Amino acid sequence: EIVMMQSPATLSVSPGERATLSCRASQSVSSNLAWYQQKPGQAPRLLIYGASTRATGIPARFSGSGSGTEFTLTISSLQSEDFAVYYCQQYNNWLPITFGQGTRLEIK
Amino acid sequence: EVQLLESGGGLVQPGGSLRLSCAVSGFTFSSYAMSWVRQAPGKGLEWLSTISGSGGRTDYADSVKGRFTISRVNSKNTLYLQMNSLRAADTAVYYCARADYSYGSYFDYWGQGTLVTVSS
Repeated sequence: EIVMMQSPATLSVSPGERATLSCRASQSVSSNLAWYQQKPGQAPRLLIYGASTRATGIPARFSGSGSGTEFTLTISSLQSEDFAVYYCQQYNNWLPITFGQGTRLEIK
Repeated sequence: EVQLLESGGGLVQPGGSLRLSCAVSGFTFSSYAMSWVRQAPGKGLEWLSTISGSGGRTDYADSVKGRFTISRVNSKNTLYLQMNSLRAADTAVYYCARADYSYGSYFDYWGQGTLVTVSS
């Protein structure tokens, strides 16, 4: 099983600033990495797939990078609606599909 | 518009059974693999099971293998999860999700979730 590790667990950032979230895989997942945003009481929402491709309707301030074992989600200028929990997911060695434990992005 | 709507959650005693349903609309259901993902209270996401578009292939997480069964009826645009021998650790919100481009893929659409509580 591929273990996905996200850091930090909690990130405090002021609105308008940049946020950088990290995700590391225990072995290479190539570019088969997705990012999701989840707000309280809501289902996860796909942000990024293929490590760097934005899903339909996702604003350009969200960007993903990386390959192999190291990945980054960057939010260039935080809006109030961006404060949420973010999960990464690998689907390379997909059985089982695994998620990171999440990073909580909170208002500083 | 793609929509997924789960139902069937509720309170069940340990050792009991429950069947969840996920009714979908807005896309050709039989063309997509579908999955169940759960989230225990205050915890992260856990993949449980995937079924191919035809229903001919299924896979399960070790945590539910032998207890849960995924199925689908394409003529009804509905996905199911039969859950037996339920434990307190199965308490969670259960989501159905569509696999975007292949059997083992990321999930581009999710339902709103249904809460399952296992307690005496």
